[in-house]
Amino acid sequence: DAKTTQPPSMDCAEGRAANLPCNHSTISGNEYVYWYRQIHSQGPQYIIHGLKNNETNEMASLIITEDRKSSTLILPHATLRDTAVYYCIVRAYAGGTSYGKLTFGQGTILTVHP
Amino acid sequence: GAVVSQHPSRVICKSGTSVKIECRSLDFQATTMFWYRQFPKKSLMLMATSNEGSKATYEQGVEKDKFLINHASLTLSTLTVTSAHPEDSSFYICSAREPGTGYVSANYGYTFGSGTRLTVV
Repeated sequence: DAKTTQPPSMDCAEGRAANLPCNHSTISGNEYVYWYRQIHSQGPQYIIHGLKNNETNEMASLIITEDRKSSTLILPHATLRDTAVYYCIVRAYAGGTSYGKLTFGQGTILTVHP
Repeated sequence: GAVVSQHPSRVICKSGTSVKIECRSLDFQATTMFWYRQFPKKSLMLMATSNEGSKATYEQGVEKDKFLINHASLTLSTLTVTSAHPEDSSFYICSAREPGTGYVSANYGYTFGSGTRLTVV
């Protein structure tokens, strides 16, 4: 699976949009981009994933560049509870019985300030 | 949504004893589960992939005899830390892969347990 690069930390004011970048310049055509977050001392929580189209759900939006070499996770109105470590992961889609393990990088520590 | 229950959430054991951690998928069948460990302020490190009815696949550098994994049913995987020592103290997290819908297996979701804090004294 391709590796990802994320800034180690970011700050955001409460109520503002948090834009978390991720570089995955070696991504292959069959690899999806996943975002997870981990609040202190809890298991990771799924946020969103996508292949090449922009995606939106109740938690966030995912913007993937046309060349798929980078993406941005957007939390539209950050709250204090969004303070967490955010992980960008790429994973190959191999179909059928692929084990498809998730490999975590260092992630971005997002701190939301009042 | 899918729920994965991990038990216990915290455990303190004496050096030399063994500890078993359970990971259950509550509302779906998981043919594949994953075990991770995490040191303070570090990222999750995959230890092994647990497959129902077969032997686990361990990542390079992970001792098979030290970390015994059993996946006896479609809803339960266990990790046993044998002869635990203080350096085994860590946060252990399991994950279960949900079956995809239809042919698009990329929609497989990965649901994580809440983790187990192991302290070996």
